[in-house]
Amino acid sequence: AQKVTQAQTEISVVEKEDVTLDCVYETRDTTYYLFWYKQPPSGELVFLIRRNSFDEQNEISGRYSWNFQKSTSSFNFTITASQVVDSAVYFCALSVPQDTGTASKLTFGTGTRLQVTL
Amino acid sequence: DSGVTQTPKHLITATGQRVTLRCSPRSGDLSVYWYQQSLDQGLQFLIQYYNGEERAKGNILERFSAQQFPDLHSELNLSSLELGDSALYFCASSVGPLAGGHPGTDTQYFGPGTRLTVL
Repeated sequence: AQKVTQAQTEISVVEKEDVTLDCVYETRDTTYYLFWYKQPPSGELVFLIRRNSFDEQNEISGRYSWNFQKSTSSFNFTITASQVVDSAVYFCALSVPQDTGTASKLTFGTGTRLQVTL
Repeated sequence: DSGVTQTPKHLITATGQRVTLRCSPRSGDLSVYWYQQSLDQGLQFLIQYYNGEERAKGNILERFSAQQFPDLHSELNLSSLELGDSALYFCASSVGPLAGGHPGTDTQYFGPGTRLTVL
């Protein structure tokens, strides 16, 4: 079975601060996929990034960066110079391939609520 | 905008009733997934369809059922509703295995959700 742990329930920062959201995952599969989704106050789930287990290269996209470390089973998300618009709940998720060849269900963490204030 | 549409956006009904939630996947996507988001259970996978066929089931209650139609839209039917069924129901879609690459790599894009309130 897969499990995703987001130990930080809520984080509050002041605008322009850097913030890191932690994600720890558990799976016995050697091939798996990790995701981050953003849920703003409006409620929709917005895809941010996908990372494959065989690619440990970190990624940067603008103010967002992701640090994938298989040795610690972590996939952390850093927002640099946070902005009020970053206020949202952020979910880390995990999936493993199905025998049928289709993408499998996402197992989500409990989410981290980020509040960015002026 | 993810390209996944869900209707209705809000639904208020009474216990014991039956409702149908509708989802239209992104153009070209063959897989549809349903998830439930509630305060106590978080985001939980319910069921997956691929090109009209059921592919995987999560902790979906027997009172719930779903189907995917030939035009690839999907419906989630919830019956004998209870107060505890109040939640945000999301539909997601992905291309499917024909996307190439490793199976399971295709990303799920979520619709805006249907907020169900059972009174």
